[in-house]
Amino acid sequence: DVKVTQSSRYLVKRTGEKVFLECVQDMDHENMFWYRQDPGLGLRLIYFSYDVKMKEKGDIPEGYSVSREKKERFSLILESASTNQTSMYLCASRYGRYDTGELFFGEGSRLTVL
Amino acid sequence: GQQVMQIPQYQHVQEGEDFTTYCNSSTTLSNIQWYKQRPGGHPVFLIQLVKSGEVKKQKRLTFQFGEAKKNSSLHITATQTTDVGTYFCAVPYRSGGFKTIFGAGTRLFVKA
Repeated sequence: DVKVTQSSRYLVKRTGEKVFLECVQDMDHENMFWYRQDPGLGLRLIYFSYDVKMKEKGDIPEGYSVSREKKERFSLILESASTNQTSMYLCASRYGRYDTGELFFGEGSRLTVL
Repeated sequence: GQQVMQIPQYQHVQEGEDFTTYCNSSTTLSNIQWYKQRPGGHPVFLIQLVKSGEVKKQKRLTFQFGEAKKNSSLHITATQTTDVGTYFCAVPYRSGGFKTIFGAGTRLFVKA
């Protein structure tokens, strides 16, 4: 079975802190995604990567950056956390370079910024 | 960028009643996917539709893809309490690679 592992289920950080959210997948998937989930807003794409060192902005990239130095790992970075970044963050991966194929999600990381 | 509208946002049903959620796109889609997220869980893939007019069934769930490939629906017959959760549609969007964009979801509440 595909496994997508997010490093932390729950985090509490202070405004202005730098936050790293790590995601690792074990199925050699090309594509990896970071979404943010807020009530009533669904899953909004923050960043996407379709290959090592390749990244593309999603719909809400402001205040975030990403890193993909190895195929299996995709990190989301909040350079200076703000209270409006309090949310559930979901990582996902998908096999292949085409527009098809299911996404496999991690368990999510719930971030609270005080 | 690609957007997909999903309605309704919420649906309360009595156990045994039917439920339907709809997704609409302004552009023609190559495919559409459906996911279910249980309360406290993460989204889990249900199905992918590719062909115009396609209808697929999974037990009490019926998925349809419109003839113009711009809309889709998920229908649950005779809901059960195990159906509670949020149902999302998801569509591909090409920008370099292929992103996956999600609808806002329909949250289903089932009263026993």
